[in-house]
Amino acid sequence: QSVLTQPPSVSGAPGQRVTISCTGGSSNIGAGYDVHWYQQLPGTAPKLLIYANNNRPSGVPDRFSVSKSGTSASLAITGLQAEDEADYYCQSFDTSLTGWLFGGGTKLTVL
Amino acid sequence: QVHLVESGGGVVQPGKSLRLSCAASGFSFSAYGMDWVRQAPGKGLEWVASIWYDGSNKYYGDSVRGRFTISRDNSKNMVYLQMNGLRGEDTGVYYCARDRGTGAQFDYWGHGTLVTVSS
Repeated sequence: QSVLTQPPSVSGAPGQRVTISCTGGSSNIGAGYDVHWYQQLPGTAPKLLIYANNNRPSGVPDRFSVSKSGTSASLAITGLQAEDEADYYCQSFDTSLTGWLFGGGTKLTVL
Repeated sequence: QVHLVESGGGVVQPGKSLRLSCAASGFSFSAYGMDWVRQAPGKGLEWVASIWYDGSNKYYGDSVRGRFTISRDNSKNMVYLQMNGLRGEDTGVYYCARDRGTGAQFDYWGHGTLVTVSS
């Protein structure tokens, strides 16, 4: 279906590993389109975090990684830090919509 | 250094029109697709519209198709969003973003401009 589903929230203690899932359908992730991830810190614009196959823009630490299988993708954050507390969004192109889809966003809380 | 600066937001009555602008600098503007993405207060990101590097193709989200028009002026390094028939649900921060092509990432974003539709 033409929607990307993310859990509304996840949490973890400093140093732990958390994952955020992004489930799509046959017209987006399942059609082979890349999944991209964005981080939005409170009160700021979204920032590209990881794109396609584990490509990180300059300055993004390798604590962030992604995986993809079938119609789903996942963002993993290891060695959790307080500064990672933010909203995270997945994105993929959808051939049925001929446009972009964003997931509903996941709020990461560092305990 | 890539910069995207949005302007044109404000308070507008339902049914009225507004035009947003995005000034781009620091890169070869005519080589990139451009997009508008919005975020309602306390909500997630919603893709609004995309335009190819040369303006030859334009795409719109279902909620704005027929009311909004994206355009660009490569001679001025500007991208625009003409918004007609505004509704309360169009309220939010509108971001301009650069894309790397169909299916590719939005690698730079502006800081956004707030649009409030209210009587």
